[in-house]
Amino acid sequence: IAGITQAPTSQILAAGRRMTLRCTQDMRHNAMYWYRQDLGLGLRLIHYSNTAGTTGKGEVPDGYSVSRANTDDFPLTLASAVPSQTSVYFCASAVRQGLEAFFGQGTRLTVV
Amino acid sequence: EDQVTQSPEALRLQEGESSSLNCSYTVSGLRGLFWYRQDPGKGPEFLFTLYSAGEEKEKERLKATLTKKESFLHITAPKPEDSATYLCAVLNDYKLSFGAGTTVTVRA
Repeated sequence: IAGITQAPTSQILAAGRRMTLRCTQDMRHNAMYWYRQDLGLGLRLIHYSNTAGTTGKGEVPDGYSVSRANTDDFPLTLASAVPSQTSVYFCASAVRQGLEAFFGQGTRLTVV
Repeated sequence: EDQVTQSPEALRLQEGESSSLNCSYTVSGLRGLFWYRQDPGKGPEFLFTLYSAGEEKEKERLKATLTKKESFLHITAPKPEDSATYLCAVLNDYKLSFGAGTTVTVRA
């Protein structure tokens, strides 16, 4: 049982570098999401996609971009990383928007 | 703006000591309230969805209830393996808004 796979598990990144966090699901879910989790702030939505070919901005989208070329993959790109993007990033998917979401194991990113 | 507040921030229980976690929310047009469990270093694990006031869901030692302004997660006779951070989230339109969580520690 795979579910949602995120890669890498952790990464240390120099400020100003470009980085893509990968997310793949094998459940044929239509909706996918990217969250970041910071101590004391909880999980905050970065971007979402209700179906392949469409994406939308969440509450903290600045500095991030996403694409949804197919049902299974939803990569998150940091064009030019900054230290404030140090966080744990979670990808999630749901059968469709509005239903319970299932989360990956997370990517711990440190920008130095 | 949607707001989700969880209390307490941390809860230390003795094994067998029942307690409740609170999730209060303000949202325009609640479409659902979700409870998740998160273990250290892992992603949140789905527990329950509640859709309307008065609804209740149960799973093992956990029971979730919903009113028009808040939800409770009751833990009955907890065991050490119930130690985790419990997150609630409200669904409004396209997104889930999460609370900061309650970290529960159950001592044997």
